Amino acid sequence: GAVVSQHPSRVICKSGTSVKIECRSLDFQATTMFWYRQFPKQSLMLMATSNEGSKATYEQGVEKDKFLINHASLTLSTLTVTSAHPEDSSFYICSATYLGAGGRSGANVLTFGAGSRLTVL
Amino acid sequence: AQKITQTQPGMFVQEKEAVTLDCTYDTSDPSYGLFWYKQPSSGEMIFLIYQGSYDQQNATEGRYSLNFQKARKSANLVISASQLGDSAMYFCAMREGHNTDKLIFGTGTRLQVFP
Repeated sequence: GAVVSQHPSRVICKSGTSVKIECRSLDFQATTMFWYRQFPKQSLMLMATSNEGSKATYEQGVEKDKFLINHASLTLSTLTVTSAHPEDSSFYICSATYLGAGGRSGANVLTFGAGSRLTVL
Repeated sequence: AQKITQTQPGMFVQEKEAVTLDCTYDTSDPSYGLFWYKQPSSGEMIFLIYQGSYDQQNATEGRYSLNFQKARKSANLVISASQLGDSAMYFCAMREGHNTDKLIFGTGTRLQVFP
């Protein structure tokens, strides 16, 4: 089955520093990956769509200069939280499309990484 | 307006019993897909089941089935023969249109299975 690897799983950093989170599709290629953010006991909110070889598409209200996304290859997308502040502390989770995995209908299914918990002190 | 609504913040079910988790959705696009994911305390999102808007039959995957009522715009998840390991957060999600894989998630339902 499809596996999406996300690293690091946990990171603690000081306010003002930058943190990079990697998302890799291990056994399939992903031209598109999605980055979500989840606050404690809340739902997943889409931050941006990461497109291989082109600029990411950000959702309304997401600061593109703060959350830098790079999708340099078909198996790797990175999210860099720049000048992190305590309010950026959250669970960040990436996903990639695994083609035709949706049961009988063969729909595309988003396969998720295990998430990265960021704590900014 | 909420695109995906899950009205049950929490549900309890006894082991071996069936449970239904509610999900309603709102879209004007005739082509859409509905998904259910499970999120254990460890955080990963596990795909459970998918229903396409044009699918004639309700989707089933093992102990999971989706009660799709298109006119009511509901896509409830039914878990049969609950197990202790089913305790987790459950999210309903929707993909609108057929040219995107982007998912919009509901607020989730926390299911707790007790012995």
